[in-house]
Amino acid sequence: EAGVTQFPSHSVIEKGQTVTLRCDPISGHDNLYWYRRVMGKEIKFLLHFVKESKQDESGMPNNRFLAERTGGTYSTLKVQPAELEDSGVYFCASSPRQGGTNEKLFFGSGTQLSVL
Amino acid sequence: AQSVTQPDIHITVSEGASLELRCNYSYGATPYLFWYVQSPGQGLQLLLKYFSGDTLVQGIKGFEAEFKRSQSSFNLRKPSVHWSDAAEYFCAVGLGNTGGFKTIFGAGTRLFVKA
Repeated sequence: EAGVTQFPSHSVIEKGQTVTLRCDPISGHDNLYWYRRVMGKEIKFLLHFVKESKQDESGMPNNRFLAERTGGTYSTLKVQPAELEDSGVYFCASSPRQGGTNEKLFFGSGTQLSVL
Repeated sequence: AQSVTQPDIHITVSEGASLELRCNYSYGATPYLFWYVQSPGQGLQLLLKYFSGDTLVQGIKGFEAEFKRSQSSFNLRKPSVHWSDAAEYFCAVGLGNTGGFKTIFGAGTRLFVKA
């Protein structure tokens, strides 16, 4: 069974440019999450999809970040325009069931974003 | 606000020695607690989880963790560390609502293993 895949693994862009990160969850997983880790700090929640709907986007930093999940399958996270403080590792995770606090998350290996 | 504290940024232990990684949480209700591990170039992998019942939980790779409500702690332990255990370890709390949940992570503890 394929795991959660993220693309690209690394991205280096200049301030003001646009970057789009992609996440392919495990097939059949309804829940998809985006997280971000900045400079060795804690991994922070960004948002949660249930299928194609945004369940919780309380962690999105500002309106420069736009997340979509087409048809409830893969998800993209676009940063436009990118700022220096957006640098970090962006993780995607998925889980199979809807609801509940005891779900195991399956993580991708992350996208390292560097904004220069 | 809910939070997870891992007081040790990094720890170095000798191979074969015992290990304890500390985790404290702040949460008003009964917590759902997790430990994840991230090896270099890999995604986070679940080591173990606590929901209820026995406060000592066993996980993969020989790890265990003990939930202590009175101390708001969920420390991770391993009796004998192997060089392959060198990685970063994250403690986390699961917060639920009717629509789903989010996981709150600590800042991580990086484990170095020396020969």
